[in-house]
Amino acid sequence: GESVGLHLPTLSVQEGDNSIINCAYSNSASDYFIWYKQESGKGPQFIIDIRSNMDKRQGQRVTVLLNKTVKHLSLQIAATQPGDSAVYFCAENGNNFNKFYFGSGTKLNVKP
Amino acid sequence: KAGVTQTPRYLIKTRGQQVTLSCSPISGHRSVSWYQQTPGQGLQFLFEYFSETQRNKGNFPGRFSGRQFSNSRSEMNVSTLELGDSALYLCASSDGDIDNSPLHFGNGTRLTVT
Repeated sequence: GESVGLHLPTLSVQEGDNSIINCAYSNSASDYFIWYKQESGKGPQFIIDIRSNMDKRQGQRVTVLLNKTVKHLSLQIAATQPGDSAVYFCAENGNNFNKFYFGSGTKLNVKP
Repeated sequence: KAGVTQTPRYLIKTRGQQVTLSCSPISGHRSVSWYQQTPGQGLQFLFEYFSETQRNKGNFPGRFSGRQFSNSRSEMNVSTLELGDSALYLCASSDGDIDNSPLHFGNGTRLTVT
C-alpha cells in the first residue's frame, strides 16, 4: 500500500523565521495532497491542498510545493508565529475516493 | 456552517465491551470517513460512507463497523473491545460528489479501554 512519511519528526524555529516541513510519498499515481495542522486536543485542521497537475500553490502565509519526479511534498510557512506550533501532517489520496494516507507527522515548535 | 461534531468526547470502556461513536457532518456533506489515531500507527483509515453506503474500507478487523443515516450522520461501532483499541477516533466529512475535496475533521472521541 501507499506510504507517506516525514523526514523530520520535530522542527524548532524562531518566531518570525520561515519554516519548511517535508513529506515523501510512495504512490506515483496519487493525484491529490493535503496538509493538515493538529493542535493538542483537537482534530486535524485543513491548511492547504494541491493537485498533481500543479507544482506550487500559495495560501495565506503558506506555500505547498509538489515535486512529482522525486515524490516529495513540502509546506512552507512564512513568518512563523507561536500559534503555528502544532503537529503537521501530509495526506495523500491514491485516487480512491476519500481514502487518504497520512504521514507520521512533524511537530513544529516556535520559540519566542 | 457548523463543523463536524463528534460525541462523546471521551469514553472509558472495559475489555470485551462494545462502544458506539457518533458523528454529525458539516451540513451538505454526504461523505463521512472514520480514522483511528494512535501514537504508534498514526492516522489510519477505517471506512468511508457516502449516501448511506460504505464506499471504502481500510484494513481493520470486522469488530469495527459503521453506518450512515439518511441525514448523513454516521456512527461507528467497535465490538469486543481490546486494549489496543484505545485511540482517538476521528470523523471527517467532505463533499463526496466532488473528486479531490478535502476532509474536514471533528475533534474526535478519545476511547480508553481498560
